[in-house]
Amino acid sequence: DTGVSQDPRHKITKRGQNVTFRCDPISEHNRLYWYRQTLGQGPEFLTYFQNEAQLEKSRLLSDRFSAERPKGSFSTLEIQRTEQGDSAMYLCASSSGTGASPLHFGNGTRLTVT
Amino acid sequence: QQPVQSPQAVILREGEDAVINCSSSKALYSVHWYRQKHGEAPVFLMILLKGGEQKGHEKISASFNEKKQQSSLYLTASQLSYSGTYFCGTDKPGSSNTGKLIFGQGTTLQVKP
Repeated sequence: DTGVSQDPRHKITKRGQNVTFRCDPISEHNRLYWYRQTLGQGPEFLTYFQNEAQLEKSRLLSDRFSAERPKGSFSTLEIQRTEQGDSAMYLCASSSGTGASPLHFGNGTRLTVT
Repeated sequence: QQPVQSPQAVILREGEDAVINCSSSKALYSVHWYRQKHGEAPVFLMILLKGGEQKGHEKISASFNEKKQQSSLYLTASQLSYSGTYFCGTDKPGSSNTGKLIFGQGTTLQVKP
């Protein structure tokens, strides 16, 4: 169990640029989640996958956000035309998906939009 | 819809006890508890399910009152390593077992020597 890894750890970008983050879940986990966390708040659900299928996307999520998990393994989260309000910690988590399963979080990607 | 945690912050001396509460206005299927240290990922502590089942660390104690839609996390004989921010996450009937959690705003716990 090598844990959930995310890359990069930090990303600074200018407003209007596109950014892409990567998440590698625990290998035997078939569920993968993206959450967003701002300072002083709990994580906020964005979207999740069961294997390669994206099962749900938060209604709060702008169309500028897209996520993929092409082979049911790693996932990418892309934000197009970034805005200052997108600045946050983007957390990836995975779970076995069997019953009520714990979420195993990665250390996150901290995005700063200038 | 976001669960409400109380208190917002707690300061303890080593060896003291604390209780962190999590309340929801909606019917719940399960309550998850996580601890996050500054700059680190949230770490799983416990899941409490409707019906009484619990999954988690043996040294962690928690309760889930389904009728009141509340959960409490009990931290006894606190250690310096208990310091961090504690989050409860809830899901609802219809979203049960999806891992799609709504997290509270967190309770910051500081344990001093």
